[in-house]
Amino acid sequence: QSALTQPRSVSGSPGQSVTISCTGSSSDVGGYNYVSWYQQHPGKAPKLMIYDVTKRPSGVPDRFSGSKSGNTASLTISGLQAEDEADYYCCSYAGSFTFVFGTGTKVTVL
Amino acid sequence: QVRLVESGGGVVQPGRSLRLSCAVSGFTFSSYAMHWVRQAPGKGLEWVAVISSDGSLKYYADSVKDRITISRDNSRNTLYVQMNSLRAEDTAVYYCATTLHIAAAGTSHAFDIWGQGTTVTVSS
Repeated sequence: QSALTQPRSVSGSPGQSVTISCTGSSSDVGGYNYVSWYQQHPGKAPKLMIYDVTKRPSGVPDRFSGSKSGNTASLTISGLQAEDEADYYCCSYAGSFTFVFGTGTKVTVL
Repeated sequence: QVRLVESGGGVVQPGRSLRLSCAVSGFTFSSYAMHWVRQAPGKGLEWVAVISSDGSLKYYADSVKDRITISRDNSRNTLYVQMNSLRAEDTAVYYCATTLHIAAAGTSHAFDIWGQGTTVTVSS
């Protein structure tokens, strides 16, 4: 149950797009279509942004999109806005009813 | 209104035990699996444990499975985690979480409802 690997930080100007990668293995990301993404502002609880690789919960802007190729999942934020500045975590089902989170990525809006 | 409210955190000495609670309201608690997720200061999220809706199935992260027990009381709409032999590395904010609204889409592999967290500090 090693943490999934994410870049420590990404940045972009307002209106630009940023993509966060999340690399695991065939035992987690590559083995299941159960990758989710969470946004966390300082001092707050995480918020679900994407589930089942590509699906958005009600209320999440369509600027947020997810994808997966092999053992790597990605979250893309299009039309970056100031309020998107936060930490983002991926999470994957890892079999046997267990889950593993990513190391986290800080998104900075320049 | 759906609410998850954790309690029971505090400062505890290494080697001691602590039980955290998560009081649930606003939905049928007994119908949903529940999870604990923790976050050490300045660190990332770590999934800790899950319990099935009826409490019969429990699964743990390898890092905690010999020291943590998850349980629930469906009559009290409350989730628990009992933590024993606490270590400095157990210092974290502990969140309870569940899959609620998106469960209608047939998935249970993400967490769309979270509590605000309770802080556990293990220190002498």
